[in-house]
Amino acid sequence: RKEVEQDPGPFNVPEGATVAFNCTYSNSASQSFFWYRQDCRKEPKLLMSVYSSGNEDGRFTAQLNRASQYISLLIRDSKLSDSATYLCVVGGGRRALTFGSGTRLQVQP
Amino acid sequence: DAGITQSPRHKVTETGTPVTLRCHQTENHRYMYWYRQDPGHGLRLIHYSYGVKDTDKGEVSDGYSVSRSKTEDFLLTLESATSSQTSVYFCAISESPASTDTQYFGPGTRLTVL
Repeated sequence: RKEVEQDPGPFNVPEGATVAFNCTYSNSASQSFFWYRQDCRKEPKLLMSVYSSGNEDGRFTAQLNRASQYISLLIRDSKLSDSATYLCVVGGGRRALTFGSGTRLQVQP
Repeated sequence: DAGITQSPRHKVTETGTPVTLRCHQTENHRYMYWYRQDPGHGLRLIHYSYGVKDTDKGEVSDGYSVSRSKTEDFLLTLESATSSQTSVYFCAISESPASTDTQYFGPGTRLTVL
């Protein structure tokens, strides 16, 4: 079983739609949680950190459920520019982060 | 954008040849990482460094070695490249341990081993 699991997609949605991505992680000792965005053939970039209380950044909302070991990302009013792969990332301990394989989003006009 | 460069950006080499990839940062961050990214696997940690001359193995370190003689440079060496090492290699940096801090990534190196 992978440490961080994501639905690979692709999610094909029209502009203006709301789309949700889910992620589960296996290490209950994980301490930090992030969503990264990766455009085609580019490096990953931090989209947002995820906190237990949930957090919002404009059209993006991230939620964490520690009891279920589940992380979500909600994108409202999707734009063409949101088309990318979204990586769920989990950290814990002194070593580096563990990345999910990513969920691909394609927003269509 | 964080000041991270990788060289070369693209390389084609033959099985059995040594290859060295360079990561250079201008942020003076203590922590540096090498990942590889392959379809279906996401990013996997090869090696990381927590200071000059301080390095440790990641989950896929076999066949790779690293060196860090200066804060700004982290080198990844494939002693004898194999076709299974064909991948995209990303360097990353962070100010604090990655488990608690944002990582910033370089642009990547596409390596093909024939």
